[in-house]
Amino acid sequence: NAGVTQTPKFQVLKTGQSMTLQCAQDMNHNSMYWYRQDPGMGLRLIYYSASEGTTDKGEVPNGYNVSRLNKREFSLRLESAAPSQTSVYFCASSDMWQPQHFGDGTRLSIL
Amino acid sequence: QKEVEQNSGPLSVPEGAIASLNCTYSDRVSQSFFWYRQYSGKSPELIMSIYSNGDKEDGRFTAQLNKASQYVSLLIRDSQPSDSATYLCAVLNTGNQFYFGTGTSLTVIP
Repeated sequence: NAGVTQTPKFQVLKTGQSMTLQCAQDMNHNSMYWYRQDPGMGLRLIYYSASEGTTDKGEVPNGYNVSRLNKREFSLRLESAAPSQTSVYFCASSDMWQPQHFGDGTRLSIL
Repeated sequence: QKEVEQNSGPLSVPEGAIASLNCTYSDRVSQSFFWYRQYSGKSPELIMSIYSNGDKEDGRFTAQLNKASQYVSLLIRDSQPSDSATYLCAVLNTGNQFYFGTGTSLTVIP
């Protein structure tokens, strides 16, 4: 049982490049989330999807887009990467009223 | 005021001692409370859930909830060097929204 799988694990981009972070869960959870974590800032919610077909902005959505492809998959896209988006990105999933389960993270550096 | 507040630490305790981690939250009607452990360079891992007032014990870990004071704590008995990590408090409110604290860094000194 893999839980929440994120790809890639590491990525280096140049300013202005685009890329998509992938997330898939096999726990049949309805809700999925994207966070970024920076030193001293804790986890900050970028976007979430309460159920298949819906997405909503979190605390720091600017510069990002998301797609809930199906119940299992939730992707995060950076259209034009900026150095300020250098961070560790975590995907999580949960059912209603249940704790979130996290993927291993993607370490993204933007030069 | 932040939804969830934790003392960032660092908190240092000697091996074998009790580590006490604290968390306060602002939404009085929050229903569910969680503690996550995050090792350096790793993802958060759920270690305790608590839903009602009082204590909940799981091995060396005890979560304590006081809804009247809007206070959650985590006690780690017989602390081990392997407990050295950042501990995140999370609160789930009645709108099914999660809020995480910024975490408390714990170091257990051998």
